[in-house]
Amino acid sequence: DTEVTQTPKHLVMGMTNKKSLKCEQHMGHRAMYWYKQKAKKPPELMFVYSYEKLSINESVPSRFSPECPNSSLLNLHLHALQPEDSALYLCASSQLRVSTDTQYFGPGTRLTVL
Amino acid sequence: AQSVAQPEDQVNVAEGNPLTVKCTYSVSGNPYLFWYVQYPNRGLQFLLKYITGDNLVKGSYGFEAEFNKSQTSFHLKKPSALVSDSALYFCAVRDIKNYGQNFVFGPGTRLSVLP
Repeated sequence: DTEVTQTPKHLVMGMTNKKSLKCEQHMGHRAMYWYKQKAKKPPELMFVYSYEKLSINESVPSRFSPECPNSSLLNLHLHALQPEDSALYLCASSQLRVSTDTQYFGPGTRLTVL
Repeated sequence: AQSVAQPEDQVNVAEGNPLTVKCTYSVSGNPYLFWYVQYPNRGLQFLLKYITGDNLVKGSYGFEAEFNKSQTSFHLKKPSALVSDSALYFCAVRDIKNYGQNFVFGPGTRLSVLP
C-alpha cells in the first residue's frame, strides 16, 4: 500500500483565520514533505521532516508552520495567509531521505485564501 | 546545478498510437530520474524511476522510459495510448543539495490523447 492521505480536500479561509492541513501515511516512511503547487506549475518544496525532525525549510514565510507529531502524521498550520498563498498543497513521504527513494504523494488540499 | 527540461508544453496523440513525452537532464554526479503523472486536481502519482542498471525502465500502467546517457535524455513512452492517459506529466531529478532530499521538477508536459 503506497497511500498518503490528506485532509481536508478543500479549504477556504480568510486572511485572519487559523487553520491546519493534515497528512497521514502508514507505510513506515521516515521522511515526510510539504509542497506547494500553483496551477499548471511543478510542485515547490516547502519543508522536509526526517525522523520527525525538521531538516529542510525552503525559506518559507512564518505564516506557514509545520509540525510532525509522530512518524505517521504531518501537519501544516496556517495563520494570516495572503491571497497569493492560494494553491494545491501536497504532502509526500519516502522511506528515508535518500536520493534513490521514491516519494509518494497524497491527493492534496486545495486552499483558497479570500 | 541539477536541471530538467521538458521541451514540449503539450503533446497530442491519437488513441491507440504510441506516445512519447520527452525529458532531458543536466546533472552533476549520478542521475536519479523519476516520472510522475498528475490528473486534474489530484496529487502526483509515481510512474517509474531510473537509478542504475538497464536503460529501459518499465513502470506502472504500461509506461516505460529509456535512459540515454549520451543524449542526457529520459523519455517516457507507451506503445498504445489510452484516452485515460490524458494528464500532466512531470520528469524530475534528485537535487545534489540537501543530500538529495529535493526534487528538481521539469515544467511539465500536458498529454492529450484524442479518441
